[in-house]
Amino acid sequence: GAVVSQHPSWVICKSGTSVKIECRSLDFQATTMFWYRQFPKQSLMLMATSNEGSKATYEQGVEKDKFLINHASLTLSTLTVTSAHPEDSSFYICSASRLAGVETQYFGPGTRLLVL
Amino acid sequence: GNSVTQMEGPVTLSEEAFLTINCTYTATGYPSLFWYVQYPGEGLQLLLKATKADDKGSNKGFEATYRKETTSFHLEKGSVQVSDSAVYFCALKGSGFGAGTRLTVKP
Repeated sequence: GAVVSQHPSWVICKSGTSVKIECRSLDFQATTMFWYRQFPKQSLMLMATSNEGSKATYEQGVEKDKFLINHASLTLSTLTVTSAHPEDSSFYICSASRLAGVETQYFGPGTRLLVL
Repeated sequence: GNSVTQMEGPVTLSEEAFLTINCTYTATGYPSLFWYVQYPGEGLQLLLKATKADDKGSNKGFEATYRKETTSFHLEKGSVQVSDSAVYFCALKGSGFGAGTRLTVKP
């Protein structure tokens, strides 16, 4: 099956610093990548949708200047949490949709961010 | 816009009990519907999907039928096992996820 990787798998940073999370589709080209945030009590929130070569579409309430998304190629998207604060601590998950065939989303394993 | 509404948990069942987790959707047209599962300590995995109305998705003993009359995609399993303990998410292609339903199966 399709494989999506995320790096790093976990990160601890100081408040005020920026953190970059990478999402890669390892064996297929992804037309679209999605970024989600999973809160402690299990609800999964779609943050933004990105298509290769174009600006990401952010969901209502998500600060685009806070969560910078770059989708530079058909296999790589990055999420940068800028000037991170403790309330940004969460589990961030990306997913990717295939270029061809029946579309579905393949999820990365997630990145746990802890901001001190 | 497109969205799904999922039965909230947690749900606790005894082994071999029948499981139903409700999911209803609001959408323009008939987009694909999915059920994802997240086992403890792991990432989300696709459990089953249905790409058009009246389709039935099935996997690992779980089933869900895409019903346009009731705009539903309920997840069912006839006899749950302890290993089915996980969080289950209903999802609509490219957009909404349900809030997730935590299932705990006791021996």
